[in-house]
Amino acid sequence: DAGVIQSPRHEVTEMGQEVTLRCKPISGHNSLFWYRQTMMRGLELLIYFNNNVPIDDSGMPEDRFSAKMPNASFSTLKIQPSEPRDSAVYFCASTSAGVGEQFFGPGTRLTVL
Amino acid sequence: AQTVTQSQPEMSVQEAETVTLSCTYDTSESDYYLFWYKQPPSRQMILVIRQEAYKQQNATENRFSVNFQKAAKSFSLKISDSQLGDAAMYFCAYRRGRSGSRLTFGEGTQLTVNP
Repeated sequence: DAGVIQSPRHEVTEMGQEVTLRCKPISGHNSLFWYRQTMMRGLELLIYFNNNVPIDDSGMPEDRFSAKMPNASFSTLKIQPSEPRDSAVYFCASTSAGVGEQFFGPGTRLTVL
Repeated sequence: AQTVTQSQPEMSVQEAETVTLSCTYDTSESDYYLFWYKQPPSRQMILVIRQEAYKQQNATENRFSVNFQKAAKSFSLKISDSQLGDAAMYFCAYRRGRSGSRLTFGEGTQLTVNP
């Protein structure tokens, strides 16, 4: 299995631009998580889905952030408009019932200038 | 709300020696899991070891073992025979019993292994 796939691996953009991060979970996993890692706040959950349905989006910072999971094999995290304080590493992780751990993707390093 | 605390921002160990990383957590749940993840400079999050709260026996994975003290809500990681490749940021994490639940992470401990 290829593991959790995230794209792009690096993204540099200018303030005000729209940014879309993509994630493909491990085949057969029915839970998908978006985490953000910053020096100031550490690793924090943004949103997660079970069976493509958003369960908890309380970690989404504000309306500029949105996430979708149109099917079991694809999810997006969109920031519009982006701001410098959104600069961080964004991780996607997946798991399923009976699987003990969450498997993480390699992360997307986002830099907003 | 569940919280996870790692009180050691940095630790160092000599190669081949043993080091223990500390973690405490707070929860009112009875069914939960605890994890240690390793994040090397590549930033990939790698599971090191996990512990189910209902199991009294401490988990062990090769050179890695935990000391799980449920009453004290303590979950420390012991690395034996430390290797240069063990150098990384280590995160303690908590998850409620259901596998489709979120992870709550501690602040992390940066481990340096000296040759």
